[in-house]
Amino acid sequence: AQKVTQAQTEISVVEKEDVTLDCVYETRDTTYYLFWYKQPPSGELVFLIRRNSFDEQNEISGRYSWNFQKSTSSFNFTITASQVVDSAVYFCALSEAGQAGTALIFGKGTTLSVSS
Amino acid sequence: IAGITQAPTSQILAAGRRMTLRCTQDMRHNAMYWYRQDLGLGLRLIHYSNTAGTTGKGEVPDGYSVSRANTDDFPLTLASAVPSQTSVYFCASRRGYLQGAHKPYEQYFGPGTRLTVT
Repeated sequence: AQKVTQAQTEISVVEKEDVTLDCVYETRDTTYYLFWYKQPPSGELVFLIRRNSFDEQNEISGRYSWNFQKSTSSFNFTITASQVVDSAVYFCALSEAGQAGTALIFGKGTTLSVSS
Repeated sequence: IAGITQAPTSQILAAGRRMTLRCTQDMRHNAMYWYRQDLGLGLRLIHYSNTAGTTGKGEVPDGYSVSRANTDDFPLTLASAVPSQTSVYFCASRRGYLQGAHKPYEQYFGPGTRLTVT
């Protein structure tokens, strides 16, 4: 069965702390894609990154970095030097080949609160 | 400005009433989706459409119907609303669905419709 688990429901940090959001996925497909989306308090969904199953290279974008490890079926997201504007709900998602028109399977989300 | 629009932004609906949530995209994307977001459950797929003229059921399709008469529009209808359909509804689109291939470009989401069924 396809599944995405975000075990951390809520995380609270103080500004400038580093924080890692965990994501573990389950799939039987060898071809799949992983995503992270951000949902700020305003409610819209903002695409952050897409990773395919063929590429395990870690990626860094400014203060954001992603660690993809197929051996542990994990796709973790780290924010370095967190800021108040990072406060949001973060969703990890999985897209498989051949699954329902490549729709996304979402985790339940992690709410990140960054205080000043 | 290219993107996805949804209407209404929010709605309070009496149980038993019929309601259509509208979704329009101007990016000429082939695939479109409807998700519902509920606290603690993340987003769940209701229905999808790979291309105009075709639709399919997602994880939670009961009580909902969709149509895809053209590329741009993908309305979601609640035939007889029930309180359990209180949720935030997101429409999304994605380009590049290919026959026999898998090219999941990122999905673009609309701003959402907050629906309350009383």
